[in-house]
Amino acid sequence: DAGITQSPRHKVTETGTPVTLRCHQTENHRYMYWYRQDPGHGLRLIHYSYGVKDTDKGEVSDGYSVSRSKTEDFLLTLESATSSQTSVYFCAITTRAGETGELFFGEGSRLTVL
Amino acid sequence: DAKTTQPNSMESNEEEPVHLPCNHSTISGTDYIHWYRQLPSQGPEYVIHGLTSNVNNRMASLAIAEDRKSSTLILHRATLRDAAVYYCILRVANFGNEKLTFGTGTRLTIIP
Repeated sequence: DAGITQSPRHKVTETGTPVTLRCHQTENHRYMYWYRQDPGHGLRLIHYSYGVKDTDKGEVSDGYSVSRSKTEDFLLTLESATSSQTSVYFCAITTRAGETGELFFGEGSRLTVL
Repeated sequence: DAKTTQPNSMESNEEEPVHLPCNHSTISGTDYIHWYRQLPSQGPEYVIHGLTSNVNNRMASLAIAEDRKSSTLILHRATLRDAAVYYCILRVANFGNEKLTFGTGTRLTIIP
């Protein structure tokens, strides 16, 4: 268990409303990631962070922003949610850098935008 | 990023070995081959990884072709708990920054 918790686990919202998903880790790891998973697409990287206030875009970053003001928290924000952002969102961390670099994933946050 | 190709689905009988293939013909010399699996309603979990040599761990074995253009994940004795989607991924060695690109994977069904 890499000590990752995501919140909320489930959320239903309406188009145009802002939404923030939180990823919290307890083990002080440097790298954190947000992925989304949709049928037929596998997992796609949205944004990642390599330290406090250090973030970068992934493959599908349009419509999303992130913030990392503390090592333990990585926030994903949808400024104005759209139905195309209905998805399951996974946070991940790297527990060890270098050759192994395995990712540990949270349990996911299911977001429905009506 | 180099791409991988996997069958969409496979079936196997319980307690028999399972060989999950992956083609990665455009792999570069520094790409590591990683496998993850995703159980129903859970996030993906790491299974195994390798560069050139075959690898074994408590979960599975990874057989890598000599030209590295393909690999096979081997589950030696499948159980019902191994039913999952298995992802074969190429990772560029980049210290700590694991921007893995997941495809759609192989859905493995275990028949009791």
